[in-house]
Amino acid sequence: RKEVEQDPGPFNVPEGATVAFNCTYSNSASQSFFWYRQDCRKEPKLLMSVYSSGNEDGRFTAQLNRASQYISLLIRDSKLSDSATYLCVPEGTGGSYIPTFGRGTSLIVHP
Amino acid sequence: DAGVIQSPRHEVTEMGQEVTLRCKPISGHDYLFWYRQTMMRGLELLIYFNNNVPIDDSGMPEDRFSAKMPNASFSTLKIQPSEPRDSAVYFCASRYTGEDEQYFGPGTRLTVT
Repeated sequence: RKEVEQDPGPFNVPEGATVAFNCTYSNSASQSFFWYRQDCRKEPKLLMSVYSSGNEDGRFTAQLNRASQYISLLIRDSKLSDSATYLCVPEGTGGSYIPTFGRGTSLIVHP
Repeated sequence: DAGVIQSPRHEVTEMGQEVTLRCKPISGHDYLFWYRQTMMRGLELLIYFNNNVPIDDSGMPEDRFSAKMPNASFSTLKIQPSEPRDSAVYFCASRYTGEDEQYFGPGTRLTVT
């Protein structure tokens, strides 16, 4: 089983749509969880951290289910500028900072 | 702050040549990571340093790859000899203990012909 599994997509959605991405991870000892965003031919950048209680940042909502080892990202009211690849990143065992990046899910928002 | 700086941004070399990639982390960050990204394998962690000391190099593909961090503001990743399968984008990232975010450099796009 891969350490981090994501549907590569692409997800093609119209502007204004709501879209959800899922991610499963295999290491039950992972302590921290993140979503990174990577634009085409650019470096990854942190989008948001994922907390056990779930968290929201504007149009973006992240959820964590430790029992099922599952992370999700919901984007509401999609904008053209949301087009990117979204990387799921569980991290850390025993206090280390070792991240494991998923292959990413590609999102294309069209007019 | 200028962010993480990598050089060169693009490198084209012939098989068998030595390649050296350079990275300057954000000042004050105590962790430095080297990654490789390809379409086939995604983003792979090669090695990381804490306070200039290599902590985990289990991701380094083979002996042709080596990394150093002689001081807090500079690191190199060397491939000798290079092979076509080393073609990829190599990212350097840095981070400060206790903070969530890793800050990535713009990457070096390496092509080995």
